[in-house]
Amino acid sequence: NAGVTQTPKFQVLKTGQSMTLQCAQDMNHNSMYWYRQDPGMGLRLIYYSASEGTTDKGEVPNGYNVSRLNKREFSLRLESAAPSQTSVYFCASIGRSFGRDTQYFGPGTRLTVL
Amino acid sequence: DAKTTQPTSMDCAEGRAANLPCNHSTISGNEYVYWYRQIHSQGPQYIIHGLKNNETNEMASLIITEDRKSSTLILPHATLRDTAVYYCIVRGGSSNTGKLIFGQGTTLQVKP
Repeated sequence: NAGVTQTPKFQVLKTGQSMTLQCAQDMNHNSMYWYRQDPGMGLRLIYYSASEGTTDKGEVPNGYNVSRLNKREFSLRLESAAPSQTSVYFCASIGRSFGRDTQYFGPGTRLTVL
Repeated sequence: DAKTTQPTSMDCAEGRAANLPCNHSTISGNEYVYWYRQIHSQGPQYIIHGLKNNETNEMASLIITEDRKSSTLILPHATLRDTAVYYCIVRGGSSNTGKLIFGQGTTLQVKP
């Protein structure tokens, strides 16, 4: 049981490049979330998925797309990276495990856009 | 989801109880109060949540006022490792659905 895993851990992009951040959870949770955290700031919700096959916008969705591939995986795509997207990206999953509510965050992906 | 108000920062002496307040005056009847913390640059860690009754687990206690407009997270014996940013969040439903919106949180500094 690894919890929430994110790849890559670090990434440097040039302006205009694209990339996909991967997130996977092995707790059979229904809900998954993507957040970004800028230096010295709190977390802001980008997109979330309440269940497999559904996605909804959060607070700051512009410039991002998501895909809930299956119950385990929720990916975040930057089609044309901009310096303003330099941030730490956290994935989270929330659901019911072992008879109680559980929620876990991944270790984060540190993205720099030059 | 209801908004929350927390102090920007607090200090606590090591070994003493840390009491972190949170105001959520617009909370509605089906919304839960959640607490998370974030240590340095790690991913946030779930601490505890509750609806209207006080809750306790191995990490902390959560005291919710009778009118549910405010709550207090209590770390009974704070250690240096409890230094972190603590987030109070109000969210509908107990699990599986609904947005989880973070505010600015309270930076707790535990001092020797």
